[in-house]
Amino acid sequence: DSGVTQTPKHLITATGQRVTLRCSPRSGDLSVYWYQQSLDQGLQFLIQYYNGEERAKGNILERFSAQQFPDLHSELNLSSLELGDSALYFCASSVARAGNTIYFGEGSWLTVV
Amino acid sequence: AQSVTQLGSHVSVSEGALVLLRCNYSSSVPPYLFWYVQYPNQGLQLLLKYTSAATLVKGINGFEAEFKKSETSFHLTKPSAHMSDAAEYFCAVGTYGGSQGNLIFGKGTKLSVKP
Repeated sequence: DSGVTQTPKHLITATGQRVTLRCSPRSGDLSVYWYQQSLDQGLQFLIQYYNGEERAKGNILERFSAQQFPDLHSELNLSSLELGDSALYFCASSVARAGNTIYFGEGSWLTVV
Repeated sequence: AQSVTQLGSHVSVSEGALVLLRCNYSSSVPPYLFWYVQYPNQGLQLLLKYTSAATLVKGINGFEAEFKKSETSFHLTKPSAHMSDAAEYFCAVGTYGGSQGNLIFGKGTKLSVKP
């Protein structure tokens, strides 16, 4: 158990819909990261927050957004969903902004039908 | 820009045989390097991490990796494979300092272990 908690574990939704994935980082970690894992793209970094502020952006679509709340939990919002958005979404956390080990949650499986 | 290349998307070994999973990285600044393992339907678990303290890094489950700057490599090895090692392994690179802590991952290598 990494200490990073993600909900829901599985989600099935229709195209055009919007979903929210939730993440609680390890106790004491200030950085939260979101990654997308799919068969064709592999593990893609989406976005990083550090202590409530956006710190880095990767290959995140405009239809996707995230935020980190004062209690440090984070949410990833996916809207206008397309079939190609079906993937495993990981949240990860680390103590600081850079140089520390990143610990991953179990992931949220999103299936868009 | 940083990048990671893992040679071989699938590697198959016999139980008891040497495991060698290859990883080459590209980084314009001194990197820090990771190996993660992903078992079916699970998240990524840290195997080991290179932080420049020692070039030979020992991890969990008997795995180790050697950082070779001249070859820009960080290959993962285990002397004797066990059935429970069957999983997907990811090499990742990050950089010290700065404001970004995200890692860049390779495409992964699926390890199969034959009895």
